[in-house]
Amino acid sequence: GENVEQHPSTLSVQEGDSAVIKCTYSDSASNYFPWYKQELGKGPQLIIDIRSNVGEKKDQRIAVTLNKTAKHFSLHITETQPEDSAVYFCAARGQGGKLIFGQGTELSVKP
Amino acid sequence: GAGVSQSPSNKVTEKGKDVELRCDPISGHTALYWYRQSLGQGLEFLIYFQGNSAPDKSGLPSDRFSAERTGGSVSTLTIQRTQQEDSAVYLCASSLAPTLTSTDTQYFGPGTRLTVL
Repeated sequence: GENVEQHPSTLSVQEGDSAVIKCTYSDSASNYFPWYKQELGKGPQLIIDIRSNVGEKKDQRIAVTLNKTAKHFSLHITETQPEDSAVYFCAARGQGGKLIFGQGTELSVKP
Repeated sequence: GAGVSQSPSNKVTEKGKDVELRCDPISGHTALYWYRQSLGQGLEFLIYFQGNSAPDKSGLPSDRFSAERTGGSVSTLTIQRTQQEDSAVYLCASSLAPTLTSTDTQYFGPGTRLTVL
């Protein structure tokens, strides 16, 4: 069935360092890959997304790369700040539009 | 305009009782999704609406779970005879999604935290 694997489950970095979160997906028909940030007690908020017709997308300190052949996509956060601390979820669009989510990465940015 | 809203924000109920969770999508969004997030887990798809119809109910865990959407807007998720394993955060999302092949962004509400004692 449709599946998304996300690694690592926890990530601790020093303020100013970069953070990388990686995901793999199983459904080769997936064509849309969003990343969500979830803070405690809140719903997930979209931070960046990529569609299958591009290999990379950047928005200020955040970038996402996609390798369709390998069915991998990654989130890169540069110059991390304490307010980046949250749980990050990757997702792949499955059949019918539903999102198949990874298990989440708890990012901690230490001042 | 306003984002996706959900009510109640928290619900505590006793095992065996029925509960109703409400979702108000962003105005004009035709697609509506329900997900469940158990403690420390990812989000699990439950059901998808396109307008008032539900083309995909594949994620509903049992026949105790049902959902409806009226007027192409508000949706209600009902859990009958609640069990302790139903305790989770129930999240609703909506998107413009004019077609089933759309890749429109899904916007999430804040969720309803359900606790079954």
